Amino acid sequence: ETGVTQTPRHLVMGMTNKKSLKCEQHLGHNAMYWYKQSAKKPLELMFVYNFKEQTENNSVPSRFSPECPNSSHLFLHLHTLQPEDSALYLCASSQRTGISNYEQYFGPGTRLTVT
Amino acid sequence: ILNVEQSPQSLHVQEGDSTNFTCSFPSSNFYALHWYRWETAKSPEALFVMTLNGDEKKKGRISATLNTKEGYSYLYIKGSQPEDSATYLCAFLIVSGRDDKIIFGKGTRLHILP
Repeated sequence: ETGVTQTPRHLVMGMTNKKSLKCEQHLGHNAMYWYKQSAKKPLELMFVYNFKEQTENNSVPSRFSPECPNSSHLFLHLHTLQPEDSALYLCASSQRTGISNYEQYFGPGTRLTVT
Repeated sequence: ILNVEQSPQSLHVQEGDSTNFTCSFPSSNFYALHWYRWETAKSPEALFVMTLNGDEKKKGRISATLNTKEGYSYLYIKGSQPEDSATYLCAFLIVSGRDDKIIFGKGTRLHILP
């Protein structure tokens, strides 16, 4: 266990559905991240939150909407997704200050299938 | 476009043999280089966080070196064991003010043959 939990672990949704992915970290970190892992592609950083403030949005389509209500929780709201959005979505946290140098602690991921 | 290249993509190694693989990254705006091990059905876990040119780090049978001037890092595994089978990812970090850029390579998939 890395101290980062994600729910659900698996999700199947239709293109017209709205769903949310949840991430929680129990490590006292001050930064949280969403990544996308598609087949045969590298891990892609989607969003970064530092101290609850979004600081990075890597040209992610607006059908993905992140929310970070506090430094321990991170959500990814999904609506009108496309089949090509099917992927493994990983959440991570890190300590953004001190000597940790942003070591990422990953959750187990949500395997998303869009039908 | 910032790119992180890992080679080889896949590697089969006999149990007991030693092996190594490479991560190449941009040599400018360097902040840190991370190595992660990603076992099937688990989360990626950090092996090494490297920041200084010439860094060498070791954890058991696994070690890594860093050359920031030429933009590469090597990961070495000595005396491979079945539990070393995993995908090894490297990630290049740029930190500018409040912004983080973390760019992962596609990984090297290591299979240890019994």
